[in-house]
Amino acid sequence: QSVLTQPPSVSGAPGQRVTISCTGSSSNIGAGYDVHWYQQLPGTAPKLLIYGNSNRPSGVPDRFSGSKSGTSASLAITGLQAEDEADYYCQSYDSSLSGPYWVFGGGTKLTVL
Amino acid sequence: EVQLVQSGAEVKKPGESLRISCKGSGYSFTSYWISWVRQMPGKGLEWMGRIDPSDSYTNYSPSFQGHVTISADKSISTAYLQWSSLKASDTAMYYCARRVATTFDLWGRGTLVTVSS
Repeated sequence: QSVLTQPPSVSGAPGQRVTISCTGSSSNIGAGYDVHWYQQLPGTAPKLLIYGNSNRPSGVPDRFSGSKSGTSASLAITGLQAEDEADYYCQSYDSSLSGPYWVFGGGTKLTVL
Repeated sequence: EVQLVQSGAEVKKPGESLRISCKGSGYSFTSYWISWVRQMPGKGLEWMGRIDPSDSYTNYSPSFQGHVTISADKSISTAYLQWSSLKASDTAMYYCARRVATTFDLWGRGTLVTVSS
């Protein structure tokens, strides 16, 4: 059971918009820690997609955007393309009694129909 | 080029020991913590622990504390993840990642560890 909760899967047709949610708690996202998102294409290492809740590293298309509110965050992908089919993970920092440590969501598999 | 280069795939038997490596290049290795992340077959990412290469201070996820050891040799810009006695359940891909603030901006390609009798 991951500390951050994501839907196992989402899907959309090319050109559509999809969102992936990431729900945490008062010891991680709700404590004010930033949320980051990673894209993992099949057979490859994760790649930083969004950092600091809503910032894109150089080279990441503006079709990808992130937001955070309260104890949750979301990743939105607009103009869906076949190459976006991948696993997406949210990540934050947790300051619970057994921590502090970095935490990931369970991952969401995006299928482009 | 800024990169983390990990050691190659390993096949081990239960009970054997193992150390895998992660070499940083193209940046100041001692300026960034290195974390290790596990990905079991078909599963998600799990943060295992981290090391500050400048002083070798470590901390671990409670799930991995006592099961693995993270170390570093700053003279050769290399971090390590080691097991003293492998189990079949250690079969996974292991990634090293460079930490910036609370995120991981640079990842190695991963080392696949297979433990089987």
